Amino acid sequence: KQEVTQIPAALSVPEGENLVLNCSFTDSAIYNLQWFRQDPGKGLTSLLLIQSSQREQTSGRLNASLDKSSGRSTLYIAASQPGDSATYLCAAPIIQGAQKLVFGQGTRLTINP
Amino acid sequence: EAGVAQSPRYKIIEKRQSVAFWCNPISGHATLYWYQQILGQGPKLLIQFQNNGVVDDSQLPKDRFSAERLKGVDSTLKIQPAKLEDSAVYLCASSPRPSGANVLTFGAGSRLTVL
Repeated sequence: KQEVTQIPAALSVPEGENLVLNCSFTDSAIYNLQWFRQDPGKGLTSLLLIQSSQREQTSGRLNASLDKSSGRSTLYIAASQPGDSATYLCAAPIIQGAQKLVFGQGTRLTINP
Repeated sequence: EAGVAQSPRYKIIEKRQSVAFWCNPISGHATLYWYQQILGQGPKLLIQFQNNGVVDDSQLPKDRFSAERLKGVDSTLKIQPAKLEDSAVYLCASSPRPSGANVLTFGAGSRLTVL
């Protein structure tokens, strides 16, 4: 059974700082991991999909890493901006039966101007 | 390309009443998902369709929840009768193929409040 945990539940930092969001998963036999962003009252937007063969995936100021052996992924946000304020969720697949994603509870990020 | 459309965006009902949510996925996406997101939690998969067939409904409370995807395109999720604990956002998502291998596209969600 796949369980996904995100710590911390909430994070508040001043604008301009670099920050790291953490995600851990229990079943390390995954073939990818996804990071999503959710704005208040909105659906989820996919940010990065990192394959198990990759160690990192980058999109603009975002960088996601994946370490299957330790069951961890991190999302690094460089030079944070107030517009980055949102909830960030990671999701790992269940590898048996129907292919589906298991989500963490999310980290609510606030960037203070 | 048009996104995933959901309606209604908001619904308030009394407990024991019924409610239905509608989802129209991205054209050509074979896989459709309904997720339930309770405040402060991550989304939980309720049901997954591949075309018009159910792939996974293991976490769907079948005594009160039902879903269908006629003709393999749009889908409806129904709750009857509703309970207080059903208050949540119901998210619809679609992907070209099952989610493990592809990026999901989510709709804006339908927020349900049960009083």
